[in-house]
Amino acid sequence: DQQVKQNSPSLSVQEGRISILNCDYTNSMFDYFLWYKKYPAEGPTFLISISSIKDKNEDGRFTVFLNKSAKHLSLHIVPSQPGDSAVYFCAASERQGGSEKLVFGKGMKLTVNP
Amino acid sequence: ETGVTQTPRHLVMGMTNKKSLKCEQHLGHNAMYWYKQSAKKPLELMFVYSLEERVENNSVPSRFSPECPNSSHLFLHLHTLQPEDSALYLCASSQGHRVGYGYTFGSGTRLTVV
Repeated sequence: DQQVKQNSPSLSVQEGRISILNCDYTNSMFDYFLWYKKYPAEGPTFLISISSIKDKNEDGRFTVFLNKSAKHLSLHIVPSQPGDSAVYFCAASERQGGSEKLVFGKGMKLTVNP
Repeated sequence: ETGVTQTPRHLVMGMTNKKSLKCEQHLGHNAMYWYKQSAKKPLELMFVYSLEERVENNSVPSRFSPECPNSSHLFLHLHTLQPEDSALYLCASSQGHRVGYGYTFGSGTRLTVV
């Protein structure tokens, strides 16, 4: 059963508007949540993360909100730019021994139209 | 240059072939990972190496055999693969004790089994 779910496969927005990407999780033991961005023919790149003890983290145009009671997080991109068009993966992190284990969602394709 | 280099970028192999995927990281990280990305599926964790010891093997078939000779290099040896093994294979590394910073991914090897 999937522990991290991205239920919408795609989103299309106009340049300059807000993009909201959603993610749900089932395991309350996750201690960090992360967003990755992936362009075609490239590996995923780290975008932003949030600790499970916080409810908001902001970095420039990107803000991640965490609602622990609902086991839900979202990534807001504002203003959206055409260069933001990519596949976005939500991931959740838990410590396992000496390593950090990341569990990923299926990804969501964002298209920002000029 | 991401700091994690994977070779080859593309590989086509027959079901009776033996090939190896290579991953190299120059970030001083102490944990390395193999992930599989199939179409419309979440990134699937295959193997985790922490301090050159395999700490996780997610029920991966024995036709996939990992090797981690040192903290900078990771291999995935392939033999008698099936067409359903065709996917993007991603290597990643992390600094194990730094939870929440996620992984640094390579660009992946696009594998096609014919």
